[in-house]
Amino acid sequence: KAGVTQTPRYLIKTRGQQVTLSCSPISGHRSVSWYQQTPGQGLQFLFEYFSETQRNKGNFPGRFSGRQFSNSRSEMNVSTLELGDSALYLCASSLAETGELFFGEGSRLTVL
Amino acid sequence: DAKTTQPTSMDCAEGRAANLPCNHSTISGNEYVYWYRQIHSQGPQYIIHGLKNNETNEMASLIITEDRKSSTLILPHATLRDTAVYYCIVRVAFSNNNDMRFGAGTRLTVKP
Repeated sequence: KAGVTQTPRYLIKTRGQQVTLSCSPISGHRSVSWYQQTPGQGLQFLFEYFSETQRNKGNFPGRFSGRQFSNSRSEMNVSTLELGDSALYLCASSLAETGELFFGEGSRLTVL
Repeated sequence: DAKTTQPTSMDCAEGRAANLPCNHSTISGNEYVYWYRQIHSQGPQYIIHGLKNNETNEMASLIITEDRKSSTLILPHATLRDTAVYYCIVRVAFSNNNDMRFGAGTRLTVKP
């Protein structure tokens, strides 16, 4: 079974630009969560989607948004990028029944 | 505001057992203990989880004290590839993933 796939793996943007990251969950997993990881703040929860609906949202500004499609694939978008948005963005999928999260390799965003 | 306390770092000799402690003195009755690890620049990897009974799988064993206030992850025969940051997390299973709070974790270094 293929794991969680995130694209792109690496990207460089400049301040003020916007970025879209993509996540394909493990087949059959309907829950997709997004996390931001930085050296200073560690792993922080962004939001979770289940069956195309956002179930929870972390404490991030409205510049961070996401969506989930009918095939469970998810995207997150960050608008008006700031230097502090440089981070590893991780996507995780899960079966609601087990609670285990399966993470992708992440998308490393650098904002210059 | 992770609910767990772990040592910052530990060393282990290759081939020996690695015992990683975790304190979760405020754990609730319906909260499970989960362990994940993150190898440099990769997404976190699920290892094991348990409620109150000891658990074992192909990767590790999880020993939970009778009062559930602490636990130990055991890697029976550590290899160099087990060098990683190990995260102990407590959360309600089958719940929304916004409570998956990763602390600083323990940086395990396996030495030859």
